[in-house]
Amino acid sequence: GIQVEQSPPDLILQEGANSTLRCNFSDSVNNLQWFHQNPWGQLINLFYIPSGTKQNGRLSATTVATERYSLLYISSSQTTDSGVYFCAVWEGGANNLFFGTGTRLTVIP
Amino acid sequence: KAGVTQTPRYLIKTRGQQVTLSCSPISGHRSVSWYQQTPGQGLQFLFEYFSETQRNKGNFPGRFSGRQFSNSRSEMNVSTLELGDSALYLCASSSGTAYNEQFFGPGTRLTVL
Repeated sequence: GIQVEQSPPDLILQEGANSTLRCNFSDSVNNLQWFHQNPWGQLINLFYIPSGTKQNGRLSATTVATERYSLLYISSSQTTDSGVYFCAVWEGGANNLFFGTGTRLTVIP
Repeated sequence: KAGVTQTPRYLIKTRGQQVTLSCSPISGHRSVSWYQQTPGQGLQFLFEYFSETQRNKGNFPGRFSGRQFSNSRSEMNVSTLELGDSALYLCASSSGTAYNEQFFGPGTRLTVL
């Protein structure tokens, strides 16, 4: 199956700093989603982004499908941004997501 | 519009028992997928149901099964529980068309003693 790798695995930031999270995938994909998993385990949808760039407040994402990667940018980080960020992709004709291993972000005040 | 709901939120069982988890999708969504999250294996796909039919299945033993009802609600059953089945079980709903955005419920945290 498709391999989805995320980097860095862990990231510690001072409040107010910016960060870039990366997601690489081993094969062509039909779509990609970014999620934030909160401390209670819920996966919150951030972006649904097969290609191009989208922005939502302090967050933005870029997917370059031809080069098999996606980036999630967090600007002016806040303590509430802490948690684990996952990217997930669809493969081929399957209607299920393959998840990366996640990036654990800790924002300290 | 109400989000995806899962019940129960927490569950403690002992080895050998069976368990049933429930998931109600977003209104109008016809696809429900189930995922297992463990510290060692991460998030893994279990199966997907669409219009009461299992449409896709991950690489899990037959002890894991599911079904979907005519109102799109879905249940997942795990029989003969093992310690390794302790996990967060997440369900996701989508409209069901290919590669459509998936929305997740809060999960059921299962502990097997």
